[in-house]
Amino acid sequence: GAGVSQSPRYKVAKRGQDVALRCDPISGHVSLFWYQQALGQGPEFLTYFQNEAQLDKSGLPSDRFFAERPEGSVSTLKIQRTQQEDSAVYLCASSLGARGNTEAFFGQGTRLTVV
Amino acid sequence: DAKTTQPNSMESNEEEPVHLPCNHSTISGTDYIHWYRQLPSQGPEYVIHGLTSNVNNRMASLAIAEDRKSSTLILHRATLRDAAVYYCIRYISSGSARQLTFGSGTQLTVLP
Repeated sequence: GAGVSQSPRYKVAKRGQDVALRCDPISGHVSLFWYQQALGQGPEFLTYFQNEAQLDKSGLPSDRFFAERPEGSVSTLKIQRTQQEDSAVYLCASSLGARGNTEAFFGQGTRLTVV
Repeated sequence: DAKTTQPNSMESNEEEPVHLPCNHSTISGTDYIHWYRQLPSQGPEYVIHGLTSNVNNRMASLAIAEDRKSSTLILHRATLRDAAVYYCIRYISSGSARQLTFGSGTQLTVLP
C-alpha cells in the first residue's frame, strides 16, 4: 500500500474485554513503533520492533499489553482485560531504517473506547 | 526528563514566516531532532529532521543551536493549511533502544 494502514479505525470494547489492533507497515520497512495518544496529549511510546525482534518494550504500561511482529511485517498490539484508562488513540509508525536519520510514517490510528 | 519543551500555542498571520522554538537540554550526542505535525484525527506527519547542521527541505527549515540544546522550526510563509500541532521530538537511538520521544507540542493557528 501507499502508507501505513491500521485497523480497525474505531473500536469500542466493554471493560474486561480483550482487543487486538493491527498495523500494516510500508513494505520493506525495518522499524515499527507503537504509540498511545490520550486526548489532548502528545503520543507516548509503547514499543519498538526491528524486523521481527522486539528490541524495546519499555513503554508498555502493564503486562496486559502485548505486541508481536512474527514475520517482520504486520504487527498486532493486544490489550487484555481492557480498562477505562486504556481509552486512547493507538498509533503505529514504520521507517525504512533503524536509526534516527530516517523519517517515520504514521498510520491514522485506532481509536479505542473502553466502556 | 527526555521530553522536549515547546510553547503550548502560537499564532501567525498568513504569508508570514513562523518560528517555532523547542528546548531539548538533555539531548545526547546520537539523538536526532525530528519535527512532525498533526492534524485532528490524523497521524503525525513528518516535517524535517537534523543532527547538528541546519537543514532545509521543501516544507521548512530547521535551525539547531551549536550546543544542540535547542532548535527552531521555520515555516517561511505560513498558509492556512499549516495550522496544526507541531511536535519537536528526540529520536533516541542508543543500544537497542529506538524511540521518538514526543513533547506536548505547539498548536499553531494561522490567521487569514
